[in-house]
Amino acid sequence: KNQVEQSPQSLIILEGKNCTLQCNYTVSPFSNLRWYKQDTGRGPVSLTIMTFSENTKSNGRYTATLDADTKQSSLHITASQLSDSASYICVVTAVKGGSGTYKYIFGTGTRLKVLA
Amino acid sequence: DAGVTQSPTHLIKTRGQQVTLRCSPKSGHDTVSWYQQALGQGPQFIFQYYEEEERQRGNFPDRFSGHQFPNYSSELNVNALLLGDSALYLCASSGTRISEQYFGPGTRLTVT
Repeated sequence: KNQVEQSPQSLIILEGKNCTLQCNYTVSPFSNLRWYKQDTGRGPVSLTIMTFSENTKSNGRYTATLDADTKQSSLHITASQLSDSASYICVVTAVKGGSGTYKYIFGTGTRLKVLA
Repeated sequence: DAGVTQSPTHLIKTRGQQVTLRCSPKSGHDTVSWYQQALGQGPQFIFQYYEEEERQRGNFPDRFSGHQFPNYSSELNVNALLLGDSALYLCASSGTRISEQYFGPGTRLTVT
């Protein structure tokens, strides 16, 4: 069964600190993995996307890693800011071979709160 | 480029009523997906439209239906609203490159 699990469910850190969010997946056939940031009541915004052959991708203070062998990904946030308070969602894309269609499997997200 | 747009922003309906939500995809995108996101939960896939046809569907009852127009915009219709239908409804568009999926700001539906 295609599944994406994220941990922790929630996290509270102080402004300026670093943190790492985890994403484990069992999705086949794998196409890519994307991290989204979602502010409360708003649509998700893409942070990074990685394909099978990519190990790391950065977007400013956000750095995502991917280990395709262990099917794990992490999102590292450096020098956190108050505006980083949001939910972070890991989404894995699976491709249905012959039909060419694809399916997005969502994790339930990690809710991050950054305190001053 | 306006990105993905959705209307309305907020909506309040009564149980049993019907609602229509609208989505315009990002320029150049031809595929529209709809998601339901309950408070504190991740988005749940409702269905996806491509070439004006429903291509994939999640585990949602027939009360949820949709449509895609020739200009690729899309509507989500929900009949016989239940209290449990209260959620943020997200529209996402994508194009021929499957790595692209851009979300709209969502429509907050409250059923009383």
